[in-house]
Amino acid sequence: TQLLEQSPQFLSIQEGENLTVYCNSSSVFSSLQWYRQEPGEGPVLLVTVVTGGEVKKLKRLTFQFGDARKDSSLHITAAQPGDTGLYLCAGQGVYGGSQGNLIFGKGTKLSVKP
Amino acid sequence: NAGVMQNPRHLVRRRGQEARLRCSPMKGHSHVYWYRQLPEEGLKFMVYLQKENIIDESGMPKERFSAEFPKEGPSILRIQQVVRGDSAAYFCASSPLPQAHYEQYFGPGTRLTVT
Repeated sequence: TQLLEQSPQFLSIQEGENLTVYCNSSSVFSSLQWYRQEPGEGPVLLVTVVTGGEVKKLKRLTFQFGDARKDSSLHITAAQPGDTGLYLCAGQGVYGGSQGNLIFGKGTKLSVKP
Repeated sequence: NAGVMQNPRHLVRRRGQEARLRCSPMKGHSHVYWYRQLPEEGLKFMVYLQKENIIDESGMPKERFSAEFPKEGPSILRIQQVVRGDSAAYFCASSPLPQAHYEQYFGPGTRLTVT
């Protein structure tokens, strides 16, 4: 069974600080996605990484896919209160099934205080 | 460009009743996925459907749960004889192409409460 472990589970920081959230697995994934979810809403897709070692930037957010495609990180520079939310990583497995199902981590709940 | 639509947003059912959750994918998307999110748990895959076909139902409980995506109309997730343990948020996602399963766009979810 492929699993994704996210750390930390909770993160509370002040506006302007930097932070990194991690998503780790012992399994290889053919792609990995990061979503952000606000209370009472569905996850919103932020980015997809496909190639080992790939780095993508979205304004103040930097996403990296590990060389072995088993892990990923999300780095936020100069966090703002609007960044508050639940950050989820999700992977598309390489083994078996229809490959239509995404495997989700439990998420990192980020709170940015003004 | 309308996103994935789900209704109702909130649904309250008594134990033993039936729950019907509807999902309309994004325009141009013909692949629909259902996920369930339990409190303090991550999203868990339930079923993947294309029009008139169930492609993968490996995450669906064996009893009481069924899903369909008819030629016309929304996808339906049906839960018969609901129990308290079915209380959760149910999310539908859609994607445009079979080779882009990872590009899944989620709806706002239906929060089911079983009393």
